[in-house]
Amino acid sequence: DAKTTQPNSMESNEEEPVHLPCNHSTISGTDYIHWYRQLPSQGPEYVIHGLTSNVNNRMASLAIAEDRKSSTLILHRATLRDAAVYYCILEKYYGGSQGNLIFGKGTKLSVKP
Amino acid sequence: GAVVSQHPSRVICKSGTSVKIECRSLDFQATTMFWYRQFPKQSLMLMATSNEGSKATYEQGVEKDKFLINHASLTLSTLTVTSAHPEDSSFYICSAKGQGANNEKLFFGSGTQLSVL
Repeated sequence: DAKTTQPNSMESNEEEPVHLPCNHSTISGTDYIHWYRQLPSQGPEYVIHGLTSNVNNRMASLAIAEDRKSSTLILHRATLRDAAVYYCILEKYYGGSQGNLIFGKGTKLSVKP
Repeated sequence: GAVVSQHPSRVICKSGTSVKIECRSLDFQATTMFWYRQFPKQSLMLMATSNEGSKATYEQGVEKDKFLINHASLTLSTLTVTSAHPEDSSFYICSAKGQGANNEKLFFGSGTQLSVL
């Protein structure tokens, strides 16, 4: 699977928007872009995913560059509970997720009150 | 959404003993589950893919005789760390692929912190 590059850490203030970048310059046409987050001492949880178009759900928005070589996870109003490590992961689909995701180092998001 | 339950959440054992960790899909059937290991301040590392009714598929470098995986039903996979040693101390996490509208997502257990004395 193609590799992703994320900043090691980012800081945000509570109730402000957060933009978490991810570069994936070697992405292929069949790669979906997934975001998961991991709170301290917890298993990861699904945040959002997309292929080409921007996506919105109750947790976040995913903005995908037109050339798909980068994407941005947007938390519209950060809360203290959003402090976590955010992972951007590419996965090739074969009729659905294969499930064996390869995690990188992710971005550790700190939220200040 | 789908729920994956993992037990125990924390276990402390003596060196040389075996420890079993359970991973259950509570409200859906999971023909495939995944086991990850995470050392402190590091990312998750995929250990193996657990397939219901067949042998698990292990990633390179993971000893299949040490990390025994059993997936005897559509809702339960177990990971047994045999003859545990201090270097096996780690955070173990299972996951399962969702079904239907959730088949593009993974659902994770809350993890098991294993400490081997």
